[in-house]
Amino acid sequence: GENVEQHPSTLSVQEGDSAVIKCTYSDSASNYFPWYKQELGKGPQLIIDIRSNVGEKKDQRIAVTLNKTAKHFSLHITETQPEDSAVYFCAARRRSGNTGKLIFGQGTTLQVKP
Amino acid sequence: GAGVSQSPSNKVTEKGKDVELRCDPISGHTALYWYRQSLGQGLEFLIYFQGNSAPDKSGLPSDRFSAERTGGSVSTLTIQRTQQEDSAVYLCASSGTSLAISYNEQFFGPGTRLTVL
Repeated sequence: GENVEQHPSTLSVQEGDSAVIKCTYSDSASNYFPWYKQELGKGPQLIIDIRSNVGEKKDQRIAVTLNKTAKHFSLHITETQPEDSAVYFCAARRRSGNTGKLIFGQGTTLQVKP
Repeated sequence: GAGVSQSPSNKVTEKGKDVELRCDPISGHTALYWYRQSLGQGLEFLIYFQGNSAPDKSGLPSDRFSAERTGGSVSTLTIQRTQQEDSAVYLCASSGTSLAISYNEQFFGPGTRLTVL
């Protein structure tokens, strides 16, 4: 069945360092890969997404890369700041049909130490 | 403008009781989703409504779970005869409609934290 594996489960970095979170998906029909940030007591918020026809996308300090052959995609955060501390989720959505459901990874708790 | 809202924010119930969770999507959004987030886990898809189409119920864990969406707007998730393993945060999301449904961003509400004693 559809599955998304996310690593690491926790990540601690020093302020200013980079953070990388990796995900692997199983469904080769997946064509859309969003990343969500969830702060304590709040719902997830989209921070960046990538479609299967693109290999990389960047938005200021955040970038996402996609390797369709290996079915891997990664989130890169540069120059981390304490306010980046949160739980990050990757997700995948398949192309076919009209279902919009997302398959989520298990989440990564990022701690940025001042 | 207003985002997705959910009520109640917290719900404590006794095992065996029924509960109803409410979701108000963003005005004009035709798609509505329910997810469940257990402690320290990712989000698990439950059900998806899109316009007047038949809902995708493939994620509902048992027949104790059901959901309705009245008038294409507000949705209610009902859990009958609650069990302790139903304790989780229930998240609702909505998205708009475009030609490329697959790419529509899902906007999440703050969730309802359900505790079954």
